[in-house]
Amino acid sequence: EIVLTQSPATLSLSPGERATLSCRASQSVSNSLAWYQQKPGQAPRLLIYDASNRAAGIPARFSGSGSGTDFTLTISNLEPEDFAVYYCQQRSNWLRSFGPGTRVDIK
Amino acid sequence: EVQLLESGGGLVQPGGSLRLSCAASGFTFNIYAMSWVRQAPGKGLEWVSSLNKAGDDTYYGASVKGRFTISRDNSKDTLYLQMDNLRAEDTALYYCVKDLRFPLFGGDSWGQGTLVTVSS
Repeated sequence: EIVLTQSPATLSLSPGERATLSCRASQSVSNSLAWYQQKPGQAPRLLIYDASNRAAGIPARFSGSGSGTDFTLTISNLEPEDFAVYYCQQRSNWLRSFGPGTRVDIK
Repeated sequence: EVQLLESGGGLVQPGGSLRLSCAASGFTFNIYAMSWVRQAPGKGLEWVSSLNKAGDDTYYGASVKGRFTISRDNSKDTLYLQMDNLRAEDTALYYCVKDLRFPLFGGDSWGQGTLVTVSS
């Protein structure tokens, strides 16, 4: 089973700042990594698929990078609606797992 | 518009069974892999199970393997999750998730979830 580790657990930032979230896999997942945003009381929303591709309707301030075991989600200019929990998810040979999440809250 | 409507959740005793359903609409159901993902109260997301578009390849997380069975009826545009031998730790909101078209990876549509509570 591939284990995903996300860091930091919590990121406290102000609107307009840049957020950098990390996701590390215990073994290579190639580029089979997705990022999701979840707000309280809502279902998760896909932000990034295949490590670096923005999903439909996702603003350009969200970007993903990485391959193999190390991945990054960057939010270039935090908007008030971006304060939420972010999860990464991997797929390896059809088996999947999520990271524990990073909470981005308002400083 | 893609819609995924889960049903079948409820309160069940430990050791009991439940069958969840997910009615899909707004897309061609039989060309997408589908998954179930759950979230215990106040906790993170946990992948439960996935199956391919035909429904003949199924995959499970370690915590549910041997107890849960995923299936689909492409003639009814419906995804199912049969849950047997339920445990307290299975208590969670269960989401139905549509994958992007294979080989792309990501769950691009999620239902609102159905709550399963396992308690005596």
